[in-house]
Amino acid sequence: KAGVTQTPRYLIKTRGQQVTLSCSPISGHRSVSWYQQTPGQGLQFLFEYFSETQRNKGNFPGRFSGRQFSNSRSEMNVSTLELGDSALYLCASSLAQGHDGGYTFGSGTRLTVV
Amino acid sequence: GENVEQHPSTLSVQEGDSAVIKCTYSDSASNYFPWYKQELGKRPQLIIDIRSNVGEKKDQRIAVTLNKTAKHFSLHITETQPEDSAVYFCAARLGQNFVFGPGTRLSVLP
Repeated sequence: KAGVTQTPRYLIKTRGQQVTLSCSPISGHRSVSWYQQTPGQGLQFLFEYFSETQRNKGNFPGRFSGRQFSNSRSEMNVSTLELGDSALYLCASSLAQGHDGGYTFGSGTRLTVV
Repeated sequence: GENVEQHPSTLSVQEGDSAVIKCTYSDSASNYFPWYKQELGKRPQLIIDIRSNVGEKKDQRIAVTLNKTAKHFSLHITETQPEDSAVYFCAARLGQNFVFGPGTRLSVLP
């Protein structure tokens, strides 16, 4: 079966712009979580969506937002981009919220803000 | 909330030797502990996990041990090979949240 698909793979934006990233989970998975990965900070949790509702949120400013659609696909939006937003953004899906068996990660979207 | 510490941050071993990475967690209610391997430029992949009702789990050359009393769990890789070189992340699940450790960069030297 298809894995977790993230688009686009690479993105270059300028400061002040906004960006939307997409994540399609494994078929049948209903929970999608987003992480920011930077060399010095490891995997930082952004938020988790389940059944189109945000269930958990990490410690990120309100410029970071997301949503989930009825087919479980999720989008993440970052507004008013800053240089420090440059990172690899990973999404991960699981069968259900808090489901044992861990996550399956996508390959990520590498965002560069210039 | 949960906090996960991971040591060492970097580890170099000779091919064929063993590698051990240790994580500690803060919340005794955490009940599920996965380990992920991330090769350079690739996605993190689940390699082994353990639940709080089990003390040890093995899968070929890798094993994970859990000490609930001390609130720590460890990844053991035996007979290391160059393809084991990667960043390894531990994680602890508390309720519906996963918290990841900062990662360990393992280098297996030929």
